[in-house]
Amino acid sequence: AQSVTQLDSHVSVSEGTPVLLRCNYSSSYSPSLFWYVQHPNKGLQLLLKYTSAATLVKGINGFEAEFKKSETSFHLTKPSAHMSDAAEYFCVVTYNNAGNMLTFGGGTRLMVKP
Amino acid sequence: EPEVTQTPSHQVTQMGQEVILRCVPISNHLYFYWYRQILGQKVEFLVSFYNNEISEKSEIFDDQFSVERPDGSNFTLKIRSTKLEDSAMYFCASRAFVGQPPGNEQFFGPGTRLTVL
Repeated sequence: AQSVTQLDSHVSVSEGTPVLLRCNYSSSYSPSLFWYVQHPNKGLQLLLKYTSAATLVKGINGFEAEFKKSETSFHLTKPSAHMSDAAEYFCVVTYNNAGNMLTFGGGTRLMVKP
Repeated sequence: EPEVTQTPSHQVTQMGQEVILRCVPISNHLYFYWYRQILGQKVEFLVSFYNNEISEKSEIFDDQFSVERPDGSNFTLKIRSTKLEDSAMYFCASRAFVGQPPGNEQFFGPGTRLTVL
């Protein structure tokens, strides 16, 4: 069965410092991987996705993630945090190329201090 | 920008009552989904729906659950006889059909928080 582990339930950074949110997935066939963000009282918004093209994926709002097959990882990074980045982040995997069932990680709450 | 909407935002019900959660997917989308997140737990897949039938469902989606697309715009999740453990945030999502590329994005609604007393 597919699974995703987000290694930190909470991450706290200061505004202007780098962000690293860690994600590991179980390895069975070729995955499609996503990062979604959820701001309070909002739906889940796609930040970026990996679908077996370039291993370094750039997303919205300055976020990027690198797919590392040898480490089964898909960590999310941003060079400089902004207050508006404070939200819940979900790493998500699907192994079905038709894009059906998504499997979510447990989520990481990012807090940004002024 | 088109978005998925869900109503109500919060539903409170008594155990044993039936509830219907409503979703309006993005208008040209053809795949529809329900997920749920129990407080403090992961978001879990419930069911996917395409061409007026269920295409995939999880073990959670038992006989107490049903989905329907009653008209051209709404997609509903019905829980026949709610239990305390059905209390969760329920998310609807939709996806456009664009052939068979991998990693088609699912667009999510803001969720309905269901509280069963």
